[in-house]
Amino acid sequence: AQKVTQAQTEISVVEKEDVTLDCVYETRDTTYYLFWYKQPPSGELVFLIRRNSFDEQNEISGRYSWNFQKSTSSFNFTITASQVVDSAVYFCACSGGGADGLTFGKGTHLIIQP
Amino acid sequence: GAGVSQSPSNKVTEKGKDVELRCDPISGHTALYWYRQSLGQGLEFLIYFQGNSAPDKSGLPSDRFSAERTGGSVSTLTIQRTQQEDSAVYLCASSSSGPPWETQYFGPGTRLLVL
Repeated sequence: AQKVTQAQTEISVVEKEDVTLDCVYETRDTTYYLFWYKQPPSGELVFLIRRNSFDEQNEISGRYSWNFQKSTSSFNFTITASQVVDSAVYFCACSGGGADGLTFGKGTHLIIQP
Repeated sequence: GAGVSQSPSNKVTEKGKDVELRCDPISGHTALYWYRQSLGQGLEFLIYFQGNSAPDKSGLPSDRFSAERTGGSVSTLTIQRTQQEDSAVYLCASSSSGPPWETQYFGPGTRLLVL
């Protein structure tokens, strides 16, 4: 079984600021996968990224970047130059080797103020 | 459509009634998942289908919950004798293949309210 902790319940920043969302995971699996999803006010979960435990390379996609560190069991997500449209709830999730689906954190509600 | 679809989008029912929630996965996706999202419990995994088979049903909250998938496509989640604590958003997802660590794409959900 996995456990995912998103300690930040809510973050509020002003537009154009950079913001980092924290994610800490626990798993006994040697092979596992980490995900980030975005849930805008419309409610539909939108896939952002998937990484496997063997690939610690950081990834950048436009204004989004992810920092995966196995040593600290963290998979943090940074938005650079935030925009109002980034306002949403962001979920971090983990999947191991079993048939038990994704284990989600409680989510971080990100508010970008104009 | 190209995405996962769910119906109904909203359902209001009375305590004790049975409800059926439907999920239509992305065409060609062999794996299908049900989750529940509630204020108190967050996002919980319920069940996973690979084709028409569910390897593990232990994630279903009680024996009032059942799910089936036919023809490797549409899935139905049935809740019998609904209770107020069943009120939640029920989300369906699909992936191109099992296992569950493949990227899952989610539908818009069914918002269930039990009065």
